[in-house]
Parts: sequence; structure tokens; C-alpha cells
Amino acid sequence: RKEVEQDPGPFNVPEGATVAFNCTYSNSASQSFFWYRQDCRKEPKLLMSVYSSGNEDGRFTAQLNRASQYISLLIRDSKLSDSATYLCVVNRRGSARQLTFGSGTQLTVLP
Amino acid sequence: GAVVSQHPSWVICKSGTSVKIECRSLDFQATTMFWYRQFPKQSLMLMATSNEGSKATYEQGVEKDKFLINHASLTLSTLTVTSAHPEDSSFYICSVGGHTDTQYFGPGTRLTVL
Repeated sequence: RKEVEQDPGPFNVPEGATVAFNCTYSNSASQSFFWYRQDCRKEPKLLMSVYSSGNEDGRFTAQLNRASQYISLLIRDSKLSDSATYLCVVNRRGSARQLTFGSGTQLTVLP
Repeated sequence: GAVVSQHPSWVICKSGTSVKIECRSLDFQATTMFWYRQFPKQSLMLMATSNEGSKATYEQGVEKDKFLINHASLTLSTLTVTSAHPEDSSFYICSVGGHTDTQYFGPGTRLTVL
């Protein structure tokens, strides 16, 4: 089983749609959780950290369910510029600084 | 967040040659840097953890004699791909750990080995 698993995608949605991405992780001792965004042929960029209480940043909402080892990202009112690959990232077993990346979910927002 | 640069941004080389990639932390003293590799349509895979002033820690399956890492200062880590072969063609990305568990990534180096 992969340490971090994501929806395979791709997701193709119209502008203005709401889209949700899911992610599960296998290490129950993981402490840090993130969503990164990666544009084609570019480096990943931090979108947001994910906290136990859930957190929101504008149109983006992240949720964490430790009992189910499940992380989600909700994007509301999607924009063309949201088109990218979204990476679910978890800190690795036994190490607070080493990250494990999911394989990513590709989102294309259509005009 | 930390500003990280990489050089070169892309390189094409012949099979059998060695290629050095530099990773610089421009505004943050980084005792630890990370090197990742990403093949097309795959996610980032950690290759090694680079520790300033000491030996790097390599992930399982990554040959330390092929991927030489030097982290001689708090702002510079280098990755040298020795005797590169076409299967080493990939996107190499370094990152710097921030004050929390967040990491900040360099823009990456695209290596093509002919």
C-alpha cells in the first residue's frame, strides 16, 4: 500500500464549479499534512497546511480526519488559473522534516 | 517562505558524462536540504537528505556513489549525477526546510541524457 494515495483524476470541471480531492495516508503517526500545487514542468508550491480543526483560505478548504487517516481539499468557484496538479503531502514515518508526496490529482478548469 | 534557486534550470548531456546541479538557499540558512526526482507523470520521490557539514542520507534504492551530494555551507548543496545514462533523465528538485515542517522548493533542473 502506498504511504499516500490520492484520487487518480483527471478532473475536468467548468469554471465556477466546486471540486473536491481526497487523500488517504497509511502512517497513523504522521503529524504534518499539506496540499501542494504543481503546474506543468514547474516545482511544487505550498497551497496550504492542513490542521486537525480544518482550515480555510479563500476558496480553498482543507479537512483532516485522523481517525480515518483522510485528508480532503475543496475548491469553490473554480477559476481557470486553478488548473494544475494537486499533491497531497504527509510527513514521513519517524521524521518530522521528510515529506512523502501523493501521486497527484490533475485538475483542468474549462471555460 | 525561503527563496531557493537551482542551477542550471535545464541541461542536456551525453551518456557517460557527469552533471552537477546546485541548490542555493538565498535568504535562509539551511542545515538540511532535500533532493527529489520526478519522472514524467509521477510524483516527487525523495532521493536523499543533505546535511550541512556531514554525509547525506540516501533513500533505499538510490546509489550514493552515483548521486554525489555535497552540502559544504548553509546556503549551498550540490548534487552530481556521475556517469549519467538516459534512464537518469528526470526533473531534479531540491528543497529547503523552513522553521516548521514546511518545505520550499527550488525551480528544478530538467536533465536530459542522450
